[in-house]
Amino acid sequence: EADIYQTPRYLVIGTGKKITLECSQTMGHDKMYWYQQDPGMELHLIHYSYGVNSTEKGDLSSESTVSRIRTEHFPLTLESARPSHTSQYLCASSEYFSGTEAFFGQGTRLTVV
Amino acid sequence: SQQGEEDPQALSIQEGENATMNCSYKTSINNLQWYRQNSGRGLVHLILIRSNEREKHSGRLRVTLDTSKKSSSLLITASRAADTASYFCATDVGGNQFYFGTGTSLTVIP
Repeated sequence: EADIYQTPRYLVIGTGKKITLECSQTMGHDKMYWYQQDPGMELHLIHYSYGVNSTEKGDLSSESTVSRIRTEHFPLTLESARPSHTSQYLCASSEYFSGTEAFFGQGTRLTVV
Repeated sequence: SQQGEEDPQALSIQEGENATMNCSYKTSINNLQWYRQNSGRGLVHLILIRSNEREKHSGRLRVTLDTSKKSSSLLITASRAADTASYFCATDVGGNQFYFGTGTSLTVIP
């Protein structure tokens, strides 16, 4: 069982609201990631971090922002939610060096109405 | 997609049969990993194969890697109903930067 947790699991929210999706891991991993997964299944990397105070944008343009103030915590924020943000968001973490696996949280399914 | 594409997109087999899924990718990789996702859940790591390896086994799983063709395959032998899930390949292009494919949805019929 992976020690990486996402909250909430499900969120239904109105257009224009600000939301923060939480992700925490207790494995001491330096790298953390956010992926967006649409019903067609493909995962798109939207943000990642190499460690504290490091944040990078992924391949898929996203209006969300992230922060990494503590090693264990990597929250994702949407300042103004829109229906186009409706999706599944998956957080993951891994060791820094190549050749190790990624551990995933259970995901947050976001619906913006 | 940055990297992998799986095929087929969906596969339905009878329990006890073997399931084979393929993954193609675009650039050089350090390693390739396969993950499994049960409906509505996160992904779980299955197996990793390094770029200098050609084949790897883990229980009922067999993975092959052909770097000249930029492709990999995952074979699940003697499938069970509990193997029903989506399967993804993920390429590590360096620094544990994972790029996932489109996934294969496997249904094993009891």
